Amino acid sequence: EVQLVQSGAEVKKPGESLKISCKGSGYSFTSYWIAWVRQMPGKGLEWMGIIYPGDSDTWYSPSFQGQVTMSADKSISTAYLQWSALKASDSAMYYCARHDQSDGVLDYWGQGTLVSVSS
Amino acid sequence: SYDLTQPPSVSVSPGQTARITCSADALPKQYVYWYQQKPGQAPVLVIYKDSERPSGIPERFSGSSSGTMVTLTISGVQAEDEADYYCQSADSSHTYVVFGGGTKLTVL
Repeated sequence: EVQLVQSGAEVKKPGESLKISCKGSGYSFTSYWIAWVRQMPGKGLEWMGIIYPGDSDTWYSPSFQGQVTMSADKSISTAYLQWSALKASDSAMYYCARHDQSDGVLDYWGQGTLVSVSS
Repeated sequence: SYDLTQPPSVSVSPGQTARITCSADALPKQYVYWYQQKPGQAPVLVIYKDSERPSGIPERFSGSSSGTMVTLTISGVQAEDEADYYCQSADSSHTYVVFGGGTKLTVL
C-alpha cells in the first residue's frame, strides 16, 4: 500500500527556520517525483514544486522559487520542505503528494502538515 | 501560464446530478484530474486522465471532456459527496502543475 506520512504540526515565530518531512512507503521512492502543495486557510490548492528523490532534481513554481527549499534523503525515503526565515504569511497546511510525471497526476497524498507562524 | 477556471460553487439536492466544469485557457489541452477534499482531510483523486476512475471511487463519479472544457459529473449525489472539488492539469512535459480554484459542492 502506497503511503506518504508527513511530520506533525509546527508552531513557529517569524524569522525562525523550519524543515518538514514526508516519508514514502509501499513503492519505489526513487522512481516517482514528490510534489509539495500549499493550502492557506480557507483557500485553494497551490502547487509549490517537485523533487525527484532519485537524484534530487527540483522544479519550483515561480511563485515559490527562492522562498522554500526542497530536498530528499533517498536512503530513508523521505522528502523535505524547508524555510530559512518564516513569515506569518507562510501559515498554511502543506501537503506532499506522489507526482507521476508520465501524465502529471498527483495520485497519493500525505495527511498534511499544519504550519502556524505567529509572534 | 496555463490556467484552469472552475465555478466557485454548485448546489444540488440529494439524488440529483451535479456537474462541475473546468475550463482550460490554452490548447492543446492536457489531461485533467479531479480531486475531492472534505473538511480537515487531504485531497483524494477521484478522476484521472479526464474520465478514468481510480479503484475504490464510486461509479457515480464520472468525467468527460469536450474541447477545452472538462466536466466532473456526480450522478445520484449523496450527502457524503459534499466537499470541495479541484481540477488539476500540467504542462506538456507534465512537470509544472496547475490547479483550478476549486468548487464547493453543497448538497441541499
